[in-house]
Amino acid sequence: QVQLQESGPGLVKPSQTLSLTCTVSGGSISVGGYYWSWIRQLPGKGLEWIGYIYYTGSTYSNPPLKSRVTISVDTAQNQFSLKLYSVTAADTAVYFCAREVWLGDLYYYDLWGPGTLVTVSS
Amino acid sequence: EIILTQSPVTLSLSPGERATLSCRASQTIRYSLDWYQQKPGQAPRLVIYGTGTRATGIPARFSGSGSGTDFTLTISSLEPDDFAIYYCQQRSNWTPAVTFGQGTRLEIK
Repeated sequence: QVQLQESGPGLVKPSQTLSLTCTVSGGSISVGGYYWSWIRQLPGKGLEWIGYIYYTGSTYSNPPLKSRVTISVDTAQNQFSLKLYSVTAADTAVYFCAREVWLGDLYYYDLWGPGTLVTVSS
Repeated sequence: EIILTQSPVTLSLSPGERATLSCRASQTIRYSLDWYQQKPGQAPRLVIYGTGTRATGIPARFSGSGSGTDFTLTISSLEPDDFAIYYCQQRSNWTPAVTFGQGTRLEIK
């Protein structure tokens, strides 16, 4: 079955760029009907949507983060990636990649990676 | 931007009791509302999508309902495995944005 796995550095220095990759296994990322998404969870807090990308490359990001976020897709590697620029300690969080199903008027996250903790600290 | 407000923040119940979790939207939701369960150290798990459809593997004791701005997740008879944090979530009406509620912690009394 399809699985997602986040990977990337667990520690990033302030003002630098957080880079994460989500590898999709067991299925193709180049299939219509899915948005490939990034969601984070600050320590002890709720879920915050970061953004998503369609396999065609179309993306959309959460407006408060939009100026610092780039989401890209590599269909050949069956991966999608997140870059968050100019990070601060406030960006310390568990980062999840997830698959959002798009079915007519229905949108829902049916698949999640296990999450990866990224700490921003010098 | 649609804001989702969940209540109560914490719900303390005993196994066997009925749980009713609320999610209220700041404006009418055009698309459907979904519910997720999250346990400590784990990724969220889809429970209900499209307001009232149980996800694969979710027991029949879970049900979802609502429309407009008011939505409910009901667990008819709590099992020990149900104690977790529950989040509601929706896709925005007017922009392709996603919002989550702040969560309801369902704890054992």
